[in-house]
Amino acid sequence: QSVLTQPPSVSAAPGQKVTISCSGDSSNIGSKFLSWYQQLPGTAPKLLIYDNDERPSGIPDRFSGSKSGTSATLGITGLQTGDEADYYCATWDNSLSAVVFGGGTKLTVV
Amino acid sequence: QLQLQESGPGLVKPSETLSLTCTVSGGSISSDTYYWDWIRQPPGKGLEWIAGVSYSGIAFYNQSLRSRVTISVDMSKNQFSLKLSSVTAADTAVYYCARRREHLDHLDYWGQGTLVTVSS
Repeated sequence: QSVLTQPPSVSAAPGQKVTISCSGDSSNIGSKFLSWYQQLPGTAPKLLIYDNDERPSGIPDRFSGSKSGTSATLGITGLQTGDEADYYCATWDNSLSAVVFGGGTKLTVV
Repeated sequence: QLQLQESGPGLVKPSETLSLTCTVSGGSISSDTYYWDWIRQPPGKGLEWIAGVSYSGIAFYNQSLRSRVTISVDMSKNQFSLKLSSVTAADTAVYYCARRREHLDHLDYWGQGTLVTVSS
């Protein structure tokens, strides 16, 4: 059971938009910055969003992040088949003094 | 460009100690801005944070693994290491090392990962 809760899977058609939610509580999302990671099949996770809504250099603006209270959302517009991957949210948990991950969401572009 | 590379045995026997090293290149491990973390991923499952250490040796642990984990840093070699004792089949996973920005807590650079199988 993950500290952060994500839907196990989402799907959408090419060109469409999808959102992935991540919920926690006041000891993690509610008080710390959240980051998102993309893990393509067979590869290491890659930082996609940091500080709730910032994109690292090289990440297209089709990817966006937002946070409100104890929940966060990853948005992906203009879906491409190459976006098929597992997506994870993560943050620091003040109560656990540890990094916590969501359980991951598998995105299917069909 | 910073690079991280995991190394260590790919096969460990049950009850023994798993030992992995992460070599950092393209930058110094001796920065008070970052922590150096280990994360694992069992086959077909999600990511699990194991522990993180600063260059000065300040460490934080996943409490569910704390009693079996040792994390350390070797500034002279620009490396940090993980030891996980008393392993079982449940410790079979791809182990990643990564750099984490202190206070902001995002993992900005990751190693490619190394599969460690626990089996006799």
